[in-house]
Order: sequence, then C-alpha cells, then structure tokens
Amino acid sequence: AQKVTQAQTEISVVEKEDVTLDCVYETRDTTYYLFWYKQPPSGELVFLIRRNSFDEQNEISGRYSWNFQKSTSSFNFTITASQVVDSAVYFCALSEDGSSNTGKLIFGQGTTLQVKP
Amino acid sequence: DAGVTQSPTHLIKTRGQQVTLRCSPKSGHDTVSWYQQALGQGPQFIFQYYEEEERQRGNFPDRFSGHQFPNYSSELNVNALLLGDSALYLCASSNYRGGSYGYTFGSGTRLTVV
Repeated sequence: AQKVTQAQTEISVVEKEDVTLDCVYETRDTTYYLFWYKQPPSGELVFLIRRNSFDEQNEISGRYSWNFQKSTSSFNFTITASQVVDSAVYFCALSEDGSSNTGKLIFGQGTTLQVKP
Repeated sequence: DAGVTQSPTHLIKTRGQQVTLRCSPKSGHDTVSWYQQALGQGPQFIFQYYEEEERQRGNFPDRFSGHQFPNYSSELNVNALLLGDSALYLCASSNYRGGSYGYTFGSGTRLTVV
C-alpha cells in the first residue's frame, strides 16, 4: 500500500538557520511522482517541487534544495538560511498515477515549521 | 488569471444536515479533485471529476457525492453530516491531458459540524 511518512511533527528554528524536512514513502509501483507542498495559514496548498521516480537528480532552487534517494525511499527538503516567511506546514505527497496531473495525491501528516526572528 | 475559487470559505452545520461546497477551477483546467483535511492531518483524497464523470474515488462513504458541470466547475455534497466531517475541504484543479504541471489548490472551505 502507498504511504508517506513525515516523522517530524514540528520544527522550530531561528532565522538564518538551515532546516531539513524528512519524508519517507512506500510504494510498490516503479513509476510514481513525489511532491512537496507548503500550506500557509491561509490554507491554500502551494506547489514547491515535483520529481518522478526516474529522476534522482537532486536540485537546488534558490534557498530550497531536494534530496531524492530511491534506495532509502526518501525525498527530503532543505531550506537554507530560513526566513520568518517560511513558517508554514509542509507536506510531502506521492502519486502513483502515470500522469502527475491526474493521479490522486497521498499526503504525509505534515511538518509544522516555525522560524523565529 | 484567477486560480481555484472555493465557496463558501466557512460553514457551520448541524449533525444530520446536508451541505454543498462549490469549486471553480483555474482557467484552462478541466479536472477537479476534492480533498478532506482534518485538523492537524494531511489532506485525504475524496474523488476526482473529469468530463462530468467521477474518475477516481478515495475511501469515503456514499454520503460524499459530487458533480461536475459543463463549465468544469464542481460541487461536493455531504449528506447526513457527522461531527467527524468537520474539516477543511480543498479543491484542486488540473489539466487532464497534461501540459504544464499540475494541481492548483484553492484555499478551501472550513466546515464545522456541531
């Protein structure tokens, strides 16, 4: 069965610290997509990144970076030099559909990140 | 370019009542998915509509039903409300045939059942 686990419930850091959010997933499919979403207090889920199961290339985008390792079924997300505006709930999600536009998303429990000034 | 619009933003209902939530997808999107997010939890998939038909369904009882209209907008109906139905209901739209990724989420409807 598909499952996404975010073991960290809450993380609190001081501004400018680096922070890594962990995500471990379970799937029996060989083709799948992984996502990170950010949910600010407004409630809207904001898309951050998508990775398909054949693309293990890690990526850096500004202050964000992602580490995808199929061998350990992990898809971790790092924020460098955190800012107060990064405070939100972050969700890791899995989709087994062949299309990243139609597959149902299976979300983890979320990690609440608080960045203090 | 408007994103996903959901209405109402907040709603209070009594146990046993029925409720209808509405969603207008992002311009250019033709698929609507609904998710339920209980407090402190991740969203859970309810169902997805494309071409006015339910294409996929999650593990939710038949009390949860939906509809998609020719203009791609969608409704989520919940009958015989239970206290446990209190949650944030999120609508996500996408383009079924691909193109640019992917899901755009609305800000949700906060449903409280008392």
